[in-house]
Amino acid sequence: GDSVTQMEGPVTLSEEAFLTINCTYTATGYPSLFWYVQYPGEGLQLLLKATKADDKGSNKGFEATYRKETTSFHLEKGSVQVSDSAVYFCALSSGGSNYKLTFGKGTLLTVNP
Amino acid sequence: NAGVTQTPKFQVLKTGQSMTLQCAQDMNHNSMYWYRQDPGMGLRLIYYSASEGTTDKGEVPNGYNVSRLNKREFSLRLESAAPSQTSVYFCASTSRLANTGELFFGEGSRLTVL
Repeated sequence: GDSVTQMEGPVTLSEEAFLTINCTYTATGYPSLFWYVQYPGEGLQLLLKATKADDKGSNKGFEATYRKETTSFHLEKGSVQVSDSAVYFCALSSGGSNYKLTFGKGTLLTVNP
Repeated sequence: NAGVTQTPKFQVLKTGQSMTLQCAQDMNHNSMYWYRQDPGMGLRLIYYSASEGTTDKGEVPNGYNVSRLNKREFSLRLESAAPSQTSVYFCASTSRLANTGELFFGEGSRLTVL
């Protein structure tokens, strides 16, 4: 079945540091890939997505590239801010009309001033 | 714009009690979902409803029932709560017509079973 593996947290960085959160997946066919973010006390919201190989999703300074050859979708940001402190989830959808998402376990990011 | 609204936000139950979590969306979405979030486990799908009138089991359906009351509302029922059901529950919805795969989440319902 489908599965998503993302790096264990927590991750603690200083403001303006470079961020990478690794995500790899196992899926049948050609899934769509997503990064969701959960700020404290809130529900999840879509951060970025990519629907086919070599696509790059980007939003709010975050980027991730769909790498079919390595089955990866790593999240990166060049300079994190305190406001980026949140839990980040990698997810995939194997398609079909049900849009069921399979999530990774989440990575807690804390950015210190 | 309310989006996805869940009630209640917090609930404490005793083992064996029953309760229903309510979810409503005002985005005219076809598909709705219930997930649970547990530490170290990420989000796991309990049940989903691809369209009004249909429901299907997800990854962890045991101990739960759902009702897709109409296009807007999708409720989750615990008939006899157990401590293992202590969790944060999230309702989500999406539009199949928009075909983006993006789920819109509610703010969550934190349930504690003693």
